[in-house]
Formats: sequence, structure tokens, C-alpha cells
Amino acid sequence: DTGVSQDPRHKITKRGQNVTFRCDPISEHNRLYWYRQTLGQGPEFLTYFQNEAQLEKSRLLSDRFSAERPKGSFSTLEIQRTEQGDSAMYLCASSGTGTVNTGELFFGEGSRLTVL
Amino acid sequence: AQSVAQPEDQVNVAEGNPLTVKCTYSVSGNPYLFWYVQYPNRGLQFLLKYITGDNLVKGSYGFEAEFNKSQTSFHLKKPSALVSDSALYFCAVRDGGSYIPTFGRGTSLIVHP
Repeated sequence: DTGVSQDPRHKITKRGQNVTFRCDPISEHNRLYWYRQTLGQGPEFLTYFQNEAQLEKSRLLSDRFSAERPKGSFSTLEIQRTEQGDSAMYLCASSGTGTVNTGELFFGEGSRLTVL
Repeated sequence: AQSVAQPEDQVNVAEGNPLTVKCTYSVSGNPYLFWYVQYPNRGLQFLLKYITGDNLVKGSYGFEAEFNKSQTSFHLKKPSALVSDSALYFCAVRDGGSYIPTFGRGTSLIVHP
């Protein structure tokens, strides 16, 4: 499978714990996105990387959230001191540039977080 | 700033009938418009896009969409609905100078047998 993969698919944690999600994009894609989706809502933008550079962050991304893409390949999204309001589906997507870029994003299956 | 509105939370249609899912947008520059579909507990799948050219674009699974610049709309259509088309549909827009699309709230399409 050469699509976007996310791990874990489901995470249940207690309030105050830290969690980390991993995303492996399509190998030739150099743009990587994190979105958050809650029930009944569309995906909300969190952050965006081009290669290893984090180029944009949403105001939704509080200080408890941090994302990295250390070698321009996989990315991690860490949430520290989780709160119940962090419960959501965290979606990762990738896209290409240049001749590979046709504009659309390719999404992973998502990582569902439940904070008790 | 860029934004998308999907005015209908839910659309109901009988199998075999035509369907339309509405989307209007707002961008400061030239719009790049997209439709995605999401099945339960799955990620989003790309259906079709408008970047430039013909106002009627065709995509996956028999779907098409019509770009209307004067009405700032990009409605999704299909001539004959299938029960298997039942899913959540999201419209997205980005300004031509941005790489970050903004998504609508989504429309639940229910196709009745």
C-alpha cells in the first residue's frame, strides 16, 4: 500500500496524559498537512510542512500541540497534557509539488483520540 | 481569507434520481475547488477538482461539478444516484496562491433504495 498511513488508528487516554501520532505520507510528496475533525464538522487545519520546514500553524494549535517532520519524510503530532476537548479525529494528508502537484490532498485513515 | 459554505446538512434522494450537493465559496484570488467523500470511520477521498478550464469537471464514480464564477458556486452532481453513494461530502477551496485548503462542514448524502 503506497497511500498515507497513520498510527495508531485509535487512542484512548486519560486527561493530562501525553499522546503522539505518527503519519507516513506518500513517498514522493513533500507537502504534509495535519487537520482535526470533530463530529459533524469538516476538517480544520492545524499545521503544514513543506519538506522538513513547518511553514504554517493554525491559531487552533495551542502550546500543548507540537508537530515535527525531522527528515522531511514522516511526521509526528504530539499533544501534551490532553484535555477532553482534544477528543477528535486527527487527519494527516500529503501532496506533491512541481509536476507531481495536481492540487488535491491524499488523506490517511485518521487517528481517533478519546480523552477520558 | 478563504471560506466554504455547504448550506445543507443532509440531502436525501431516491436511487436512480439525480443528486445535487451545494457548495459556495469565497476567496480573494483565483479559486482552486475540490470535492472529497468520506465513508464512516475512514479518511477523505478525492473526487474531483476545478483549477482552470471548462466549468464542468468530471470526476470519480460518475460525479461531476459545475463551477459558476458569478455565483461563486461549485455544486456536486450525479445524474443517477446509487445507494452506495451514501456518505459525507466535503467541498474545499484554496486561493491559487495558498497551499492550504479550507473545508466546508460537510453534507450527508443519503440515497434511499
